[in-house]
Amino acid sequence: AQTVTQSQPEMSVQEAETVTLSCTYDTSESNYYLFWYKQPPSRQMILVIRQEAYKQQNATENRFSVNFQKAAKSFSLKISDSQLGDTAMYFCAFMTKVDSNYQLIWGAGTKLIIKP
Amino acid sequence: GAVVSQHPSRVICKSGTSVKIECRSLDFQATTMFWYRQFPKQSLMLMATSNEGSKATYEQGVEKDKFLINHASLTLSTLTVTSAHPEDSSFYICSARDPGTFYEQYFGPGTRLTVT
Repeated sequence: AQTVTQSQPEMSVQEAETVTLSCTYDTSESNYYLFWYKQPPSRQMILVIRQEAYKQQNATENRFSVNFQKAAKSFSLKISDSQLGDTAMYFCAFMTKVDSNYQLIWGAGTKLIIKP
Repeated sequence: GAVVSQHPSRVICKSGTSVKIECRSLDFQATTMFWYRQFPKQSLMLMATSNEGSKATYEQGVEKDKFLINHASLTLSTLTVTSAHPEDSSFYICSARDPGTFYEQYFGPGTRLTVT
């Protein structure tokens, strides 16, 4: 079964610093999608970034980038120039097909606190 | 961008009563919607996948008779918690799959259910 592991329950950095959140996953599939979602205190889930496994180039969205290591099954998220608004729970998720439906397998989450 | 709404955002009900939560895709048609449950400081747990016009597919361990899901139209799915008990108190989140892709999900803002 596919699993997603986030080994950092909580992280804290100063504003403007760079922080990296780790995520590893386990799958036997060769083509799949990986996601990072942000859940701020409002609890609205927000897509941060998406990576398609068949693309070797790491995805980037403004201050957010990933380090996708397919062989190592690693998918870390780097947040540059962190801002107070980045304070949130961050979830790594893996897209898998179950019967005829595509589902997300979620990591346990990392609570990120940006300090002023 | 695609918007998913949920109603109500908060609900308090008495033990033994039923409560209905609505999930609507506001600007797109969603053939597939998902219902999640999130306990405090935990990740999302998929409860069921609902496809428009057919019965929902429940995850193992989710009581079908307690959590009734109806996806009667392409823009509306409902979750009814029947004979609610305090242990059903939780945060419920719905999402809708982007019809243009198989991997994108748009999330509602969630519903906090408290059973007294």
